[in-house]
Amino acid sequence: DQQVKQNSPSLSVQEGRISILNCDYTNSMFDYFLWYKKYPAEGPTFLISISSIKDKNEDGRFTVFLNKSAKHLSLHIVPSQPGDSAVYFCAARLLQGGSEKLVFGKGMKLTVNP
Amino acid sequence: KAGVTQTPRYLIKTRGQQVTLSCSPISGHRSVSWYQQTPGQGLQFLFEYFSETQRNKGNFPGRFSGRQFSNSRSEMNVSTLELGDSALYLCASSLLGRAVNEQFFGPGTRLTVL
Repeated sequence: DQQVKQNSPSLSVQEGRISILNCDYTNSMFDYFLWYKKYPAEGPTFLISISSIKDKNEDGRFTVFLNKSAKHLSLHIVPSQPGDSAVYFCAARLLQGGSEKLVFGKGMKLTVNP
Repeated sequence: KAGVTQTPRYLIKTRGQQVTLSCSPISGHRSVSWYQQTPGQGLQFLFEYFSETQRNKGNFPGRFSGRQFSNSRSEMNVSTLELGDSALYLCASSLLGRAVNEQFFGPGTRLTVL
């Protein structure tokens, strides 16, 4: 049972345009949502997060939007740059007995064309 | 500050064998989490160790085990390898076991089971 879903495996956008990456979840107990970026042969790197009590968080070119009623979040990258080309993972945090567990989506490959 | 290191980076084993992977966290970090990444399933949580104790565990069979030493270095062991265990194994370290803003991943160990 995939609790965090990234339904589109890939996205291709032109440099300078907006990239919108989507993520859906099923478990209402998730209290934080995170986005990670992964380049080939490297581990994922943390990008941005949002608490479940917020609906928007912005950090430079990256903005994450959360729609709790729809159990949906999205990552907006504006403007997109070729260096943003990577696999992006959406993750949700579950706190259990004081420790946390991250549930990841399957990832989405973003290609930004010059 | 050195990042998270994982050894070996690549490993080839045959079915039925066992394997031990190693993870050295960032200096001062006490939490180490392990994840399995496969194309079909994305990143899946294996377990988390904090101060030498397993604090959280994912839904993997008992063939997957781990431990953490007093210097916070962690090892993961997989016994009786199966073809489906072929994956990228990632470890992540954090100071207190909190992913938001403070968890860092290593580059991973690519395990191939023939």
